Amino acid sequence: EPEVTQTPSHQVTQMGQEVILRCVPISNHLYFYWYRQILGQKVEFLVSFYNNEISEKSEIFDDQFSVERPDGSNFTLKIRSTKLEDSAMYFCASTPRGSNTEAFFGQGTRLTVV
Amino acid sequence: DAKTTQPPSMDCAEGRAANLPCNHSTISGNEYVYWYRQIHSQGPQYIIHGLKNNETNEMASLIITEDRKSSTLILPHATLRDTAVYYCIVRARGGTSYGKLTFGQGTILTVHP
Repeated sequence: EPEVTQTPSHQVTQMGQEVILRCVPISNHLYFYWYRQILGQKVEFLVSFYNNEISEKSEIFDDQFSVERPDGSNFTLKIRSTKLEDSAMYFCASTPRGSNTEAFFGQGTRLTVV
Repeated sequence: DAKTTQPPSMDCAEGRAANLPCNHSTISGNEYVYWYRQIHSQGPQYIIHGLKNNETNEMASLIITEDRKSSTLILPHATLRDTAVYYCIVRARGGTSYGKLTFGQGTILTVHP
């Protein structure tokens, strides 16, 4: 069964450093998403991406965040200058074309900012 | 997207049916009801979705009331591996919110031996 793959599974970084979280969505999917979940809290939408541009972003997704699909297969989330409060699980998801479809989520990257 | 209300927690005996309710009284005509679950801190897993008809797949059944203001997810024979947080999500169809999922706190389902 096709799946969304995220790397790394766990990333530890120092405050102020840049991190890039990587995702390989399901190959025929066209819509891509990032979500995050701070420990003990609910899953929060960050951004959706379609046709090589952001289609929607939340208020969490400020100027220190960016997304990119550099090579047609990978989908990345960059955090330019990490803060302690960026520590969370980050989930990538993808959906195929069509409105009556489900989202497939990766297993997540646990980001720890120290 | 319409807001949903779920009980914070439920228990179920292994082998019995688990019936998880969800209230979505402000749902509009073009919004689907989706159910996902999250086991520990893994990525959310799709279970089932529907618009107005009842739906069944290999994992669960979804019963939507005629007025669409509430629904029930049924796990027919719960196992210990079904212990998870279950999310009921109402999702808009089309527009700039295409595909975006708004998660609430969900229902923590604990399946007991």
